[in-house]
Amino acid sequence: GAVVSQHPSRVICKSGTSVKIECRSLDFQATTMFWYRQFPKKSLMLMATSNEGSKATYEQGVEKDKFLINHASLTLSTLTVTSAHPEDSSFYICSARDPWGDIQYFGAGTRLSVL
Amino acid sequence: QKEVEQNSGPLSVPEGAIASLNCTYSDRGSQSFFWYRQYSGKSPELIMSIYSNGDKEDGRFTAQLNKASQYVSLLIRDSQPSDSATYLCAVSNQAGTALIFGKGTTLSVSS
Repeated sequence: GAVVSQHPSRVICKSGTSVKIECRSLDFQATTMFWYRQFPKKSLMLMATSNEGSKATYEQGVEKDKFLINHASLTLSTLTVTSAHPEDSSFYICSARDPWGDIQYFGAGTRLSVL
Repeated sequence: QKEVEQNSGPLSVPEGAIASLNCTYSDRGSQSFFWYRQYSGKSPELIMSIYSNGDKEDGRFTAQLNKASQYVSLLIRDSQPSDSATYLCAVSNQAGTALIFGKGTTLSVSS
């Protein structure tokens, strides 16, 4: 299967700081990437759809000014959690859709802890 | 609102048995169906994709699709303790632009 790289795998930060998470498709060009959030023992929650060269589409209830998404190239999307607070602590996972169909390949995830 | 339903489990089976995981979906326009496996603390990994009615086999895994009944299933033969994980059913939306995930079924295989 295709490889999607996500960094960092874990980040601990102080309340009020911003954190950037990178998602890269290593062996294919992904015009569409997705950002999910997952709380312990809960299901995946889609936060936004990131399309290369255009603004991200956010799901209802997700603050676009809080979670900044940039998809400047066909292999890289970034999620920036701005002014992070303890309630933003979660497992963030990106995925990239393969260009030949609609399979999504997931990154390894980023565990964010805000103190 | 389009939905994908799965029993949360846990589904417990002994080693060597067949595990049967089920999923129903509400969007009749869905064309693509996937099973992902997620170990605790890890991200989902793709196990199977299926697009046509019937069975699709890959090693110990068999996916079954019945579009008329809006039903997808995953059979795991000769279950191993390493199969213990949460299995996510995912269904494409009608436009094929996104996947709708079920909440997952937790499988526990005892040795």
